[in-house]
Amino acid sequence: AQSVTQPDIHITVSEGASLELRCNYSYGATPYLFWYVQSPGQGLQLLLKYFSGDTLVQGIKGFEAEFKRSQSSFNLRKPSVHWSDAAEYFCAVGAGGNKLVFGAGTILRVKS
Amino acid sequence: DAGVIQSPRHEVTEMGQEVTLRCKPISGHNSLFWYRQTMMRGLELLIYFNNNVPIDDSGMPEDRFSAKMPNASFSTLKIQPSEPRDSAVYFCASSLLEMGNQPQHFGDGTRLSIL
Repeated sequence: AQSVTQPDIHITVSEGASLELRCNYSYGATPYLFWYVQSPGQGLQLLLKYFSGDTLVQGIKGFEAEFKRSQSSFNLRKPSVHWSDAAEYFCAVGAGGNKLVFGAGTILRVKS
Repeated sequence: DAGVIQSPRHEVTEMGQEVTLRCKPISGHNSLFWYRQTMMRGLELLIYFNNNVPIDDSGMPEDRFSAKMPNASFSTLKIQPSEPRDSAVYFCASSLLEMGNQPQHFGDGTRLSIL
C-alpha cells in the first residue's frame, strides 16, 4: 500500500534562510506526488505536483520540489523563507482513483 | 472561479444532536472527498465519490456517520447521534476524474464542536 513519511514534525527557520522539507513515499510504480500548504483556519492549498517528466517541479509562492526515484523522495525547497510561509505542509502520493495518501505534515515556524 | 464551498464554517451543538455538513464541489469536478482533521489523528479520508457514486467508505468511523451525493453539485456528511469525540475540522475536496491522479482542491472546512 502507498504511504508517505514526513520525518520532521516541526521545523524552525530564520526569515530569509533556505528551507527544505523532507518527504519519502512508498509506491510501486511511477508516483503522482503533491505538496500542499495549510494556514491556520484554512483548507489545504496545492503548492505543486509531479506527474512525470522533469524531476524538478516549480510551484506557487516560490516553492520547488525535486523527485528522486532512487531515494523515493520528493523534498520541498525554498531559497528564502518569508514570515508568511509559516504554516503546515503536507506531502501526498496518488493512490489511484484520484485518492491521495497524505503524510502527517510538517509545521514550519519562521523566526524573525 | 468559485472554489469548494462548505457550510457551515463553524458548528457547535450538544451531544446526541444530528449534525449535517454540506459541500458544493467545483463545477465540473466529478470526484468528491470528505476528510476529518484532528490533532491526534491528523488528516483522515472518510469517504469519496466518483460521479456521485460512493467508491470507498472504509474510513467512515461507524454507523453514526453517513454521506450522500444526490447530484454532481452537492454532498452532505451527517452524524447522528453526535458525540464529543466527533469534534474536529471536516474538509471537503473535489477533483477532476481523469487518467492518473489529479490534484484535489479543498474547501475551508467546517469546525465542529460537540459539547
